[in-house]
Parts: sequence; C-alpha cells; structure tokens
Amino acid sequence: KAGVTQTPRYLIKTRGQQVTLSCSPISGHRSVSWYQQTPGQGLQFLFEYFSETQRNKGNFPGRFSGRQFSNSRSEMNVSTLELGDSALYLCASSEAGVSYEQYFGPGTRLTVT
Amino acid sequence: KQEVTQIPAALSVPEGENLVLNCSFTDSAIYNLQWFRQDPGKGLTSLLLIQSSQREQTSGRLNASLDKSSGRSTLYIAASQPGDSATYLCAVSKSSASKIIFGSGTRLSIRP
Repeated sequence: KAGVTQTPRYLIKTRGQQVTLSCSPISGHRSVSWYQQTPGQGLQFLFEYFSETQRNKGNFPGRFSGRQFSNSRSEMNVSTLELGDSALYLCASSEAGVSYEQYFGPGTRLTVT
Repeated sequence: KQEVTQIPAALSVPEGENLVLNCSFTDSAIYNLQWFRQDPGKGLTSLLLIQSSQREQTSGRLNASLDKSSGRSTLYIAASQPGDSATYLCAVSKSSASKIIFGSGTRLSIRP
C-alpha cells in the first residue's frame, strides 16, 4: 500500500497570505488528522476528519480550517498567515481515528516571512 | 487537562546499551497510549500502541509498559544501535474518538 502523501513538501509564504495544504491518506483509511509541530510548542493536534466530518478540534484559532473529501483526501487551510504559523504540518491517517494506529506523512514545512 | 511529560529531553548512550525512556501523564483515565519515533525533519512512525487494559506491548527489541494508576509508561530499547537515534514521543488519548495529546519527546543519540 502507498503511504500517506502530503503536498507540497515545502512552502514559503508572506504574512497575511493564505495557504492550503493537502494530504492523501492510505487507501481504505477514513480518518485524517492534522498536527502542527514547532520547536517551542512541540506537536499539537489541530483537527481530525472522519468520513468528511470534523470529529475533533484542537485549540487553534479559526484561521485554521480543514475539510475532507469523499475519497478521504483532506486539505488544511490557514488564512491571514502570521510569523508564528511557521511550522512543520503533519497529517496522519488511520482506519478509524486518532486512537488507532496512525500512519504519518512526511509533512509540509511552512515558512512565513 | 491532560498533560504528558517526557524526561529526559535528551539522552546519549553508547551502542549496545539497554535503555529506558519515560513518559508520564496527569490524568489516568486514558483510552490508550502510543509510542512514536521521529527522524529529523520527517514524519512520525508508530512503534507501539498499548490499550488501557494492557500492561505491555513488545515489538522486536522494543518493549513498552503501561501503569495507568501511576500515570506512567516506559519504552525499553534492548541492545541499542546507532540506527535507533531519533526523537521518541509518547501520546495519550482519552477515548476512542477524542483528540490525542503528545509529550515533548526524548531525543536519543546512540554513539557508535
């Protein structure tokens, strides 16, 4: 089976812009979760989508949003980018949710200047 | 509010040693606990998942234990190798459909 893929792998944006990141889960997995990883805050849960519905959400502002399509592919959007949004964004897929074995993608490195 | 702590933040040991990584959590009402490995700049790889009803899980040279009552888990690595060098993270979830909370990780370096 192909692993979790994330595109793009690297991204440079300017403050105030918006960005969309994409995640393709392992075939058959219905749950996709998103995480932000920074040196200061570590790995933080953003949200989880299961069968096109947001099932859980972390403590992030409304500028962070996501969606999941019928083929389980997911996108994450960040609007009005701030310097503090610079991070490695990871997505993970699993058969049924974050409490099941998760398979992570390589991440998207976002730099906001 | 659940908090997950991993001590030490970094560890360096010579090749061949057996070692233990620690993970503690403040709320013992967990659904399961997972251990992950992360190589620099890469995503995470799931190592072991322990359900709340289990005491331990083993995979090759890795053994993870769980003591819910004391809010602790340990990851034992036998006969360490340079390829084991990575950051190890533990994470807990409260229910089958809840969010997952990660510790800050232990950066492990195995000296040849």
